[in-house]
Amino acid sequence: DVKVTQSSRYLVKRTGEKVFLECVQDMDHENMFWYRQDPGLGLRLIYFSYDVKMKEKGDIPEGYSVSREKKERFSLILESASTNQTSMYLCASSSTPGTPNQPQHFGDGTRLSIL
Amino acid sequence: AQSVTQLGSHVSVSEGALVLLRCNYSSSVPPYLFWYVQYPNQGLQLLLKYTTGATLVKGINGFEAEFKKSETSFHLTKPSAHMSDAAEYFCAVSKIGDKIIFGKGTRLHILP
Repeated sequence: DVKVTQSSRYLVKRTGEKVFLECVQDMDHENMFWYRQDPGLGLRLIYFSYDVKMKEKGDIPEGYSVSREKKERFSLILESASTNQTSMYLCASSSTPGTPNQPQHFGDGTRLSIL
Repeated sequence: AQSVTQLGSHVSVSEGALVLLRCNYSSSVPPYLFWYVQYPNQGLQLLLKYTTGATLVKGINGFEAEFKKSETSFHLTKPSAHMSDAAEYFCAVSKIGDKIIFGKGTRLHILP
């Protein structure tokens, strides 16, 4: 079974801090994704990556950056946290770029509060 | 551009009653369609998927969905609701490049 592990389930940070959210998958998947989930808005894609050191902006990249130094790890960075970034963050992975019928596998999420 | 519309942000059904969660999509090419479920304080997990072939797709926990091209729909059903089915359900469509487009979700409430 695919395992996607997010480093923290709950996180509380202060405005202006630099925040790192870590995600690791154990199935050698090429594709990794970061979403944020807010009530009534569903899942919105922040960034995704098809390969090591490769990244592409999703629908809402402002205020975020990402890092993928190793295939299994995809980090989301909030450069200067703000209260409007309080949300649930979900990491996902899927195999083989170019095969849109492959479903994504999700971690359990990190509930981030910015005070 | 592809999009997904889920009708009803909240749906309530009685235990033992039929569950019907509606999903319509727009796509310029034959789509790949998914239903995911999210239990409280968890990530999303795949319920079922449609790629090609048989239009009636069976998933886990007794759920199934039917792809109707003429109606651009992919509604999720279960004959008899159970209390453990209470969760949020997301319909999704995939597009070239592996970016999956998710609907806004439907929260299913089961009444005793």
